[in-house]
Amino acid sequence: NAGVTQTPKFQVLKTGQSMTLQCAQDMNHNSMYWYRQDPGMGLRLIYYSASEGTTDKGEVPNGYNVSRLNKREFSLRLESAAPSQTSVYFCASSGQLNTEAFFGQGTRLTVV
Amino acid sequence: GNSVTQMEGPVTLSEEAFLTINCTYTATGYPSLFWYVQYPGEGLQLLLKATKADDKGSNKGFEATYRKETTSFHLEKGSVQVSDSAVYFCALYNQAGTALIFGKGTTLSVSS
Repeated sequence: NAGVTQTPKFQVLKTGQSMTLQCAQDMNHNSMYWYRQDPGMGLRLIYYSASEGTTDKGEVPNGYNVSRLNKREFSLRLESAAPSQTSVYFCASSGQLNTEAFFGQGTRLTVV
Repeated sequence: GNSVTQMEGPVTLSEEAFLTINCTYTATGYPSLFWYVQYPGEGLQLLLKATKADDKGSNKGFEATYRKETTSFHLEKGSVQVSDSAVYFCALYNQAGTALIFGKGTTLSVSS
C-alpha cells in the first residue's frame, strides 16, 4: 500500500545545477500536486495537474517545470537551481474534486 | 479567491490540557474543509474533514465543526498527549476545486 512515493528523500545541489524530483501514486487519482514548505510560510502550491495531460501554475511556479508523464507520475524539474529553492518539496494526489489529498514523505532539497 | 487563516504558533501545553487551534476561511460557496497533521520528519496526513456547513469532523480525539455563520473551522481536543506534538494545517480547495490551499501551520508542543 505505497500511496504517494517521492524520490529522492534528500538532495544537495550546487547553484545552477538541474535536477528532477520524481513522484508516483498508485491510487488511480486524477489530480496531482507539487508544494514547497518553508518555515513560517506553510505549504505553497508550485504546480498542479487536474488530469493526465494537463498542468497549471500554482502560487509559486517561477524556476520550475513539471511533466505529467502519465496518470501515475508527476515530476518537478529545476532547470537551474538557486539558493532560494532550498526547501522541502511535497507531492500529493487526490481523486475527485474537493476530496482529501494524500501526501508523499517529502524531498529535502538544499541548494548551496 | 478562497483562503484560510490560522492562529500563529507555537502552542505549548502540558499533557491533558485542552487544545484549541483557530482557523477561519474565506470562500465562494461552501467547500470542504480539512485539518492536516505533520509529525516531525514526515509528510502531511489528513486528520479530519467536514464537507458541509454544521458538519463535525472527528478523529483521534480531535474535533472541528464547519461553522458558516462565523466562517470558522477551529480544531479542538479535550486532553492532549505528548504524541500530539506536531504541526497542524487548516486547508480548503480553491474556487475551481482543483488545488488545496493551506494555512501557514500551527506548531503544537506538548510536555509531560
